[in-house]
Amino acid sequence: AQSVTQLDSHVSVSEGTPVLLRCNYSSSYSPSLFWYVQHPNKGLQLLLKYTSAATLVKGINGFEAEFKKSETSFHLTKPSAHMSDAAEYFCVVSDIMTGTASKLTFGTGTRLQVTL
Amino acid sequence: NAGVTQTPKFRVLKTGQSMTLLCAQDMNHEYMYWYRQDPGMGLRLIHYSVGEGTTAKGEVPDGYNVSRLKKQNFLLGLESAAPSQTSVYFCASREPATPEQYFGPGTRLTVT
Repeated sequence: AQSVTQLDSHVSVSEGTPVLLRCNYSSSYSPSLFWYVQHPNKGLQLLLKYTSAATLVKGINGFEAEFKKSETSFHLTKPSAHMSDAAEYFCVVSDIMTGTASKLTFGTGTRLQVTL
Repeated sequence: NAGVTQTPKFRVLKTGQSMTLLCAQDMNHEYMYWYRQDPGMGLRLIHYSVGEGTTAKGEVPDGYNVSRLKKQNFLLGLESAAPSQTSVYFCASREPATPEQYFGPGTRLTVT
């Protein structure tokens, strides 16, 4: 069984300050982990993915995440927030990488607010 | 390249009515999925398909049926809509060789 816990339902930062969105996971196997972003009334866009290669993963729009097996964490960070980063962010885990349906398990989401 | 598209974008149904949501992808992906998104619950898997002519149940399949008659299309049907099916529905697709899924823009369904 696999599960994801997003530790904050809402995060507010000022423009230009760092962003930290926290995610812990539980998985029976070596997981694949993802962060997706959803802007208001839009679909989900893949920000970045971890699939057992480098533990520090760089994504689009300056975001990155670090896979820490000992802490079962996959926190999302960005050095400097921009107004356009305001959105809902989902941490997602997948147990099995290839050859199967590889169902995704979603966290409940973190809403990021960016203020001037 | 359109990616994953969904029709319609919005729909309002009365309790007991039926409808079909269409998902189409032009990436030649083998696997396709239907999710529903409810406030505070993330996305939950309804049904999925690992190839043309195959379907399987996900986490919350009750009240829904699906069909995959063509590789590029995945249909989600509601035979008798209920207010509990008010939600935003997302379709996704992926290749077997990679785990990430690509999502459509969603269909917002309200059942009154």
